[in-house]
Amino acid sequence: GNSVTQMEGPVTLSEEAFLTINCTYTATGYPSLFWYVQYPGEGLQLLLKATKADDKGSNKGFEATYRKETTSFHLEKGSVQVSDSAVYFCALTPNNNAGNMLTFGGGTRLMVKP
Amino acid sequence: DTGVSQDPRHKITKRGQNVTFRCDPISEHNRLYWYRQTLGQGPEFLTYFQNEAQLEKSRLLSDRFSAERPKGSFSTLEIQRTEQGDSAMYLCASSHLDPFFGPGTRLTVL
Repeated sequence: GNSVTQMEGPVTLSEEAFLTINCTYTATGYPSLFWYVQYPGEGLQLLLKATKADDKGSNKGFEATYRKETTSFHLEKGSVQVSDSAVYFCALTPNNNAGNMLTFGGGTRLMVKP
Repeated sequence: DTGVSQDPRHKITKRGQNVTFRCDPISEHNRLYWYRQTLGQGPEFLTYFQNEAQLEKSRLLSDRFSAERPKGSFSTLEIQRTEQGDSAMYLCASSHLDPFFGPGTRLTVL
C-alpha cells in the first residue's frame, strides 16, 4: 500500500537558519505529493504540491522537489522565521481516479527560536 | 468565509453516548472526506463521498461509525456508543482538485 515517512521532530532552529524536513514515500504509479502545515490550534493548510517527477512546488519561501528516483519530496526553506513554527505533514494521493484520498506522514514539529 | 466549516469545534461526552458532527464543504466541491487525527500523529482516512454517494470506507471505520451526505452538500459523521479510544480530532476536507481542510472537531470521551 501507500505510505509516507517523515523525519521525526521536533526540529528546533534559530531564526534565519536553513530548514530541511525529509519526506520519502512508497506508492505505485505516479502519485501527487503535498506538504500541509498545521499552526497551533488551527486546521491543516495546503502549503505546496507537485504532481509529476521533477516538479518543484513553492509557496511562502518554502519549496520541495518531486524526486521519483529517490521517492522523496523534502521540504526546504532558506531562512525560517518564528512564525513558521508549526507541524508540517507530507502527504500523497495516488492519482488513480478512485477518490484521491490522502496518505499522510506522521508530521514534523518545527520550533523556531528568536 | 468560503472555507470548509465544521461544527461543533469541541465535544466532550461520556463513554457510551452517541455523538454527531457536521461538515459544510466549499460549495462547488463535489468530493468530501473525513479523516481522524490522534495526538502526535498524521491524519488517517476514514471515508469519502462523491456528491451524495459514499464511495470508500476505511477499515478504521467500525460499525459504530456512520457518515452521510444526503443532498451532496453537508455531511454528518455519527459515532454510536463512544469509547475512550474514539477521542481524537475529526477532520473534514472537500475538493474539486486539491483537498482543503476544515478546522476539525475535537472529541473527548470521558
